[in-house]
Amino acid sequence: EVHLVESGGGLVQPGESLRISCVDSGFSFSWNWMGWIRQAPGRGLEWVAHINGDGDEKYYLDSVRGRFTISRDNAKNSLYLQMNSLGAEDTAIYYCAKLGMLAGGPNWFDPWGQGTLITVSS
Amino acid sequence: AIQMTQSPSSLSASIGDRVTVTCRASQGIRSDLSWYQQKPGKAPNLLIYAASKLQSGVPSRFSGSGSGTDFTLTISSLQPEDFATYYCLQDHIYPWTFGPGTKVEIK
Repeated sequence: EVHLVESGGGLVQPGESLRISCVDSGFSFSWNWMGWIRQAPGRGLEWVAHINGDGDEKYYLDSVRGRFTISRDNAKNSLYLQMNSLGAEDTAIYYCAKLGMLAGGPNWFDPWGQGTLITVSS
Repeated sequence: AIQMTQSPSSLSASIGDRVTVTCRASQGIRSDLSWYQQKPGKAPNLLIYAASKLQSGVPSRFSGSGSGTDFTLTISSLQPEDFATYYCLQDHIYPWTFGPGTKVEIK
């Protein structure tokens, strides 16, 4: 059974940085696209970024491009999100997820981790 | 960016009811759409991908249809465990965008 576990969330001050992680206890991590999705308190879901299996193809939400960096370490079955210049608008639960694919490219998120909460506040 | 809208934003229904949730894209997205169920305090769960393909392990009372700009998620006979918020997601072009959600509540 695929099991994704996020960690590294917490309270940070505006302008600070944080790196969150996601460990995959399943198999074939390196074959899968992986992504991050966030959900502000009481709000809907927002796609943040995703990365291909080799780590050389990345896509970002415009509002995080240049501040956030998605990366992975396949030897550790781990996905990361380095977040810099954090602002109150980045306060959210951050979920990692595997991406399912049909022919061509990634298409859907499954499964999801349980999420890690990041609160940006002074 | 493609805007996704959902209707209704919430609905009240009874056990056994047929429930339909609609998702509309601001431009054509072929069948590049998935549906997710989220229960309070939990991560979302994939129900449908490629607009109409049922994810393995998801009960057959869930179905999806549509292509282009208009999509529907149907629950043929609402069960107690189906009370949740439902989101659509387009993966046609970046940035991927979710609909705002439809909350299904108990009548």
